[in-house]
Parts: sequence; C-alpha cells; structure tokens
Amino acid sequence: DAGVIQSPRHEVTEMGQEVTLRCKPISGHDYLFWYRQTMMRGLELLIYFNNNVPIDDSGMPEDRFSAKMPNASFSTLKIQPSEPRDSAVYFCASSSLPRPVLTDTQYFGPGTRLTVL
Amino acid sequence: KQEVTQIPAALSVPEGENLVLNCSFTDSAIYNLQWFRQDPGKGLTSLLLIQSSQREQTSGRLNASLDKSSGRSTLYIAASQPGDSATYLCAVRSWAGGTSYGKLTFGQGTILTVHP
Repeated sequence: DAGVIQSPRHEVTEMGQEVTLRCKPISGHDYLFWYRQTMMRGLELLIYFNNNVPIDDSGMPEDRFSAKMPNASFSTLKIQPSEPRDSAVYFCASSSLPRPVLTDTQYFGPGTRLTVL
Repeated sequence: KQEVTQIPAALSVPEGENLVLNCSFTDSAIYNLQWFRQDPGKGLTSLLLIQSSQREQTSGRLNASLDKSSGRSTLYIAASQPGDSATYLCAVRSWAGGTSYGKLTFGQGTILTVHP
C-alpha cells in the first residue's frame, strides 16, 4: 500500500484565496483525521470521519474551514477565505478500528505545508 | 480537557548513550497512549502503542512504560544512534466510552539530536 497520500505537498497562496487540501486514506481504513501542526500550538485534531461521516468537528477553528469525505477513498479540507494565521502543516491520517480489542494506530500522510501571504 | 506535556523540549546526546523521554497527562481516563516519531518535513510514524491496561511495550531498542494512575509515560531508547535524531511525540487517546473512538491529544514533542 502507498500509505496515506496528500496533495499538494506545498501550497503558497495569498490572503483571501480559497485553498483545498486533498487526502487519500489507506484502502480499507474506515477512520480519517485532519490535523494541523504549528510551532505555537503543536499538533491539533481538526475533524475526523468514520465511514465517510463527520463525527467530531469541534477542532475546526472557524466557519472558514470545511471538510468533506464524499467517498471512502477521498477527503478534502477547504479554507475559504484563507488568512496568514492559517499557515501551518496540515496532516491527514487514517486508521481502522479492530474489535474487540481496540489496538488501532493512526497512519499519517506526509502533510501539506500551507503558506498564506 | 486533556493536556499532554513532554519534557525535555530538546535533548542532545552522544551516540551510544541510553536516554529517557518523559510524557505526562492530566486526565487519567485514557484508552491508550502512543509514541510517535516525526522526521523533519515528514509525517508521523507510530513507534509504540500501550493500552491503558498495560504497563509497558517494547520494540527493538525502544521501551515505553505507562503509569496511568500518576499520568506518566516514559520512552526509553537504548544505545542511541544518529539515525534516532527526530522529534518524538507522545499522544493519549481519551476514553469516549464503549467502543467509541476517543480523540488523540498530542504533546509538543521532544527534539532529539544524537551526535556521532
């Protein structure tokens, strides 16, 4: 398996522009997570999906952020309009939840480094 | 709200030395704890996962311990090598009840440098 795939790897945009980050989870994984990493705040969970359904979006900073998962193999994180303070590395991760013992681990993609000028 | 703290923030050691990284968390109602490694410009790689009912896990030169009651975990690296240089992150999975999926809360990480 190629692992979690994210695109683009780097994105530079100007304030006010729309930004779309993409993620392809590992095949067969039924959980998908979006994280943001900054020097100030570390790694924070933004939202996660189970079977394509958003379960917890309490980490989404504000209405400018939205995430979708139209099918099991694709998710997007959109920022509209973007602001300089959105500059960060955005990670996507996926996992499966084996039962009865929940011994899952999350597999992370390489991240998208976003710079908003 | 769960808070995870890692000490030290940075560590520099000579090759061959044994070392310990520390992680503490404020809410002991956790499901499991994981240690991750992050190389510059890369994503996270899971190193070890300890369930809340376990005391330790070992993988090669790595040993992670968990004391849930005191809210502490340590990652022990034996005979360190320059290739171990990376940022090490501790993350706790909160207990969400039943088979629900609790969220991971990460520490800020420890930047480890092993020099030849």
